[in-house]
Amino acid sequence: DVKVTQSSRYLVKRTGEKVFLECVQDMDHENMFWYRQDPGLGLRLIYFSYDVKMKEKGDIPEGYSVSREKKERFSLILESASTNQTSMYLCASSLTPPRVRSGNTIYFGEGSWLTVV
Amino acid sequence: AQTVTQSQPEMSVQEAETVTLSCTYDTSENNYYLFWYKQPPSRQMILVIRQEAYKQQNATENRFSVNFQKAAKSFSLKISDSQLGDTAMYFCAFIIIQGAQKLVFGQGTRLTINP
Repeated sequence: DVKVTQSSRYLVKRTGEKVFLECVQDMDHENMFWYRQDPGLGLRLIYFSYDVKMKEKGDIPEGYSVSREKKERFSLILESASTNQTSMYLCASSLTPPRVRSGNTIYFGEGSWLTVV
Repeated sequence: AQTVTQSQPEMSVQEAETVTLSCTYDTSENNYYLFWYKQPPSRQMILVIRQEAYKQQNATENRFSVNFQKAAKSFSLKISDSQLGDTAMYFCAFIIIQGAQKLVFGQGTRLTINP
C-alpha cells in the first residue's frame, strides 16, 4: 500500500525553537509539497520540490525553509518558531508529470498539528 | 498566478437533497487535472472526483458529478441524494501537468448534511 508518512502527528514547541517536520513517501514520486491549513484559508502552499535538491517557493514561504536531500524525504523547517505558525501542516506527493497511478494522482500524509507556545 | 476560489464558505442541506459546490480557478496553462477532495474531521484528504482538462465529458462517480466549463474556468461539484456521511470540508484543487507542477487548493466549503 502506497504511503506518505509524516513523522510527527502532534507537536508542541516553544517560541524561538527550531522545528523540523518530516515527510517520507515510498512511491518514487518526484513532486513533493508542504501546506499549512488554517480555518477559512484552506490549504496554502509553503514550498514544493520537483526533484532532489530542487525547491520552489509557494505562496507563503516566509518563516520556513525546506530540504530535499533524498528523493523520498521532504523536510519543512521552521528556523525560529513563532505563535503565528501554530497550524496543521500537510505533506503531499505526485509523479512528474502528474498522472494517475493506483487510482490516485496526489497522495497525502495524515497531517502534523503544530502548536507554538 | 494560479488560484482557486471557492465562494461558499459554508453550506447546509437536508439529507437526500441535491447540493452544488462552486469552484472557479485561474491559470494560463492548458493541460491540468482538477480535483474535488473531501476532508472529514480526521483531516485525511479523500479524493471525490477527478477531471482531466483535455476531456470535454464531465466526470461522474456514483452520486458525485462535476460541471466542467473550461472556457469559463469553472468546476462545480454536484452531490445527489446527499447522505449524512457527506458532511465534511470540501476542497477544489488543480495541478498543472507541465512546467512548474504546483498543486493549488481553494479555501474550502464546509458542507453539513442535516437529518
